Amino acid sequence: TQLLEQSPQFLSIQEGENLTVYCNSSSVFSSLQWYRQEPGEGPVLLVTVVTGGEVKKLKRLTFQFGDARKDSSLHITAAQPGDTGLYLCAGGDNYGQNFVFGPGTRLSVLP
Amino acid sequence: GAGVSQSPSNKVTEKGKDVELRCDPISGHTALYWYRQSLGQGLEFLIYFQGNSAPDKSGLPSDRFSAERTGGSVSTLTIQRTQQEDSAVYLCASSLGHQKGWGNQPQHFGDGTRLSIL
Repeated sequence: TQLLEQSPQFLSIQEGENLTVYCNSSSVFSSLQWYRQEPGEGPVLLVTVVTGGEVKKLKRLTFQFGDARKDSSLHITAAQPGDTGLYLCAGGDNYGQNFVFGPGTRLSVLP
Repeated sequence: GAGVSQSPSNKVTEKGKDVELRCDPISGHTALYWYRQSLGQGLEFLIYFQGNSAPDKSGLPSDRFSAERTGGSVSTLTIQRTQQEDSAVYLCASSLGHQKGWGNQPQHFGDGTRLSIL
């Protein structure tokens, strides 16, 4: 069974600060997805990364997939209160047989 | 709307009662997933349906839990003889499903059913 770990578990920062959250595994994934979940809602997909070393940018969010496709990071520049939420990474293996979610990083951006 | 729809949005019931939770996936999505999310926690996989294939039930926590998907569309998750530890948000998601590289397909989530067992 593939497992994903995320760190930190909780993060509270001031508006305008930068932050990075991590998603790690000992297993190789064919792709990794990042979702954001706000209270009372389901998770919403932010990005999918599929190539080792790939970097994708979504406004102030930068996503990177590790060269070995075992880990990923999400960097937020100049965080805003609207970035507050639970950030979940999720991955599938090369055979599409398993798809798992990490436990999430709960981010709070204070105004 | 065209998104995943779940009902009811909230359900409060007494311990020992049975509950049914409903999920209407996005039209054309062949894959459907059920997850459970306890307060402040991540997503716990429960069951996965893909087309006419036998569902992957590996995540169901006990035989009190079952799910059906009729006609490849609507799904119902049933919990029998509910226990207090069943209290959680139950999330449904759908995706374009099984094909080479299906793990790349994004899952589209409903807003969940918040289940409270008294």
